[in-house]
Amino acid sequence: DAGVIQSPRHEVTEMGQEVTLRCKPISGHDYLFWYRQTMMRGLELLIYFNNNVPIDDSGMPEDRFSAKMPNASFSTLKIQPSEPRDSAVYFCASRGTSGTWEQFFGPGTRLTVL
Amino acid sequence: QKEVEQNSGPLSVPEGAIASLNCTYSDRVSQSFFWYRQYSGKSPELIMSIYSNGDKEDGRFTAQLNKASQYVSLLIRDSQPSDSATYLCAVASGGSYIPTFGRGTSLIVHP
Repeated sequence: DAGVIQSPRHEVTEMGQEVTLRCKPISGHDYLFWYRQTMMRGLELLIYFNNNVPIDDSGMPEDRFSAKMPNASFSTLKIQPSEPRDSAVYFCASRGTSGTWEQFFGPGTRLTVL
Repeated sequence: QKEVEQNSGPLSVPEGAIASLNCTYSDRVSQSFFWYRQYSGKSPELIMSIYSNGDKEDGRFTAQLNKASQYVSLLIRDSQPSDSATYLCAVASGGSYIPTFGRGTSLIVHP
C-alpha cells in the first residue's frame, strides 16, 4: 500500500485566498483524521470521520474551515478565506478499527499564508 | 479538557546512554497510550503502544505505564544519533480511542 497520500506537499498563498488540501487514506481504513501542527500549539485534531461521516469537528478553529469526505478514498480540508495565522503543517491520518489503534500519518501539507 | 503534558526539552544524551522521556495525563479513564517519533520535517510514526500497567519492551525501546500516577514513559537504551527526533506522547480513552497528543519532547543524541 502507498500509505496516506496528501497533496499538495507545499502551498503558498496570499491572505484571503481559498486553500484546498487533499487526502487519500489507506485502503480499508474507516477512520480519517485531519490535524494541524504548529510550534506554539503542537499537534491539534481538527476533525475526524468514521465511514465517511464527520464525527467530531470541535477542533475546527472557525467557520472558515470546512472538511468533506465524499467517499472512502478521498477527503478535503478547505480554508476560505485564508489568514496568515493559518500557516502550519496540516496532516491527514487514517486508521482501521482493530489491532493496535495505530494512526498512519500522511507526509503533511506545509501551508504558508502571506 | 484532556491534557497530556511533556517536557519540551531538548533532552541531550550521549551516544550509548539511556534516554528517558516522560509524559503525564489528566484523564483518569485513559486506556491506551502511544509513543510517536517525529523526525524534523516528517510526519509522526508510531513506535510503541501500551495498554496495561507495567513495562513493555520492543528492541531498544521500553514503554512504562503507571495508571495510578497517570504517568507513562519511554526509555531508549543504547541511544544512537539516529534516535534524535521529537517524541510525541498520545493518550486515548475507551470507545473510539481517539488520542490526545502532547506537544512532544525533543531528543538530541550526540556522538
